[in-house]
Amino acid sequence: NAGVTQTPKFQVLKTGQSMTLQCAQDMNHEYMSWYRQDPGMGLRLIHYSVGAGITDQGEVPNGYNVSRSTTEDFPLRLLSAAPSQTSVYFCATRGAQPYEQYFGPGTRLTVT
Amino acid sequence: GENVEQHPSTLSVQEGDSAVIKCTYSDSASNYFPWYKQELGKRPQLIIDIRSNVGEKKDQRIAVTLNKTAKHFSLHITETQPEDSAVYFCAASITLYGGYNKLIFGAGTRLAVHP
Repeated sequence: NAGVTQTPKFQVLKTGQSMTLQCAQDMNHEYMSWYRQDPGMGLRLIHYSVGAGITDQGEVPNGYNVSRSTTEDFPLRLLSAAPSQTSVYFCATRGAQPYEQYFGPGTRLTVT
Repeated sequence: GENVEQHPSTLSVQEGDSAVIKCTYSDSASNYFPWYKQELGKRPQLIIDIRSNVGEKKDQRIAVTLNKTAKHFSLHITETQPEDSAVYFCAASITLYGGYNKLIFGAGTRLAVHP
């Protein structure tokens, strides 16, 4: 039982490049989210999903796309990377009850 | 819009002292208040949470209090130990369509416990 996994752990991109951050869970949780963490700003919600085929925007969705074709996977796509997207990205999952969200180990992304 | 303010941003205590971190939230519909601990380079981990129908909850050396009227909630750590050193985040949650509980996080408190 791996819980929530994220790949890669580290990534360096050049401005304008695109990439996909992977998130997978084996807990059969309905709810999945992507957050970014920047110094002094806590965690901010990018996109979330309430089940396969259903996604919605969070607080800071611009520049990111998501899809949820299966319960297990929730990839985050950066369409054209910008230095402002340099951050640590966390995927999180939650079941129907209780409310606890489980975070993945994170991906540290640097855009030069 | 929704907002959570957290104070202080840094807190330094001596081992054995108590530490208190305070948060205020703006959305009166918030109904769930978790606290996360994040060690350097690690993922946030839930340490305690409280629902809006409860005023206080305790788990060994940590406790959380909630004042719904004032929209305040606080984390209390007693008998602090060096391993309590970390960044602590509060959050307030509202339930959206589909049952998803959207978490709004505070900016974090860096707690240092000195031996």
